[in-house]
Amino acid sequence: KAGVTQTPRYLIKTRGQQVTLSCSPISGHRSVSWYQQTPGQGLQFLFEYFSETQRNKGNFPGRFSGRQFSNSRSEMNVSTLELGDSALYLCASSLGATGGTDTQYFGPGTRLTVL
Amino acid sequence: GEDVEQSLFLSVREGDSSVINCTYTDSSSTYLYWYKQEPGAGLQLLTYIFSNMDMKQDQRLTVLLNKKDKHLSLRIADTQTGDSAIYFCAEKYSGAGSYQLTFGKGTKLSVIP
Repeated sequence: KAGVTQTPRYLIKTRGQQVTLSCSPISGHRSVSWYQQTPGQGLQFLFEYFSETQRNKGNFPGRFSGRQFSNSRSEMNVSTLELGDSALYLCASSLGATGGTDTQYFGPGTRLTVL
Repeated sequence: GEDVEQSLFLSVREGDSSVINCTYTDSSSTYLYWYKQEPGAGLQLLTYIFSNMDMKQDQRLTVLLNKKDKHLSLRIADTQTGDSAIYFCAEKYSGAGSYQLTFGKGTKLSVIP
């Protein structure tokens, strides 16, 4: 079974631009979560989508948004990029059960650099 | 809110055991996880433990959970140079209707040959 895939792997943008990142979950997984990883703040939860609906959201400004499609693929968008948005963005997928042993599996990440 | 703490660095000699510690604050956590991240890569799930367990063993990995003290540890037996990586402890947020992991800052394990 193929793992979680993320595209692109690397991105370089300038301040003020916007960017869209893509995540394809493991086949059969309906939940997709996004995390931001920076050296200073570590791993921080952005949001989770399940069956095309945002189920939970972390403490990030409205410039960060996402969506999920009917095939469970998800995109994350960041508008009006700031230097502080430079980070590794990780996507994780799971079956979507909030209880039990449902486990998140992570993709390799997209490295975003804002100049 | 939820908070997960880990020491930042650990250095061991090849062949020794490594013990990585973690403390968490959410007493309603149901599952606690250990992930491994190698340079330039995403997170690899190593193991997890249910909150009503005290210990779980999986080959070279042993997880110990002290729920009273909210303390979790990961022991790696016979540590190899390939174990050099950053190890993250995470707790599963138990809020209704959502799935969210709260991570520690990670412990960088360096294995000396």
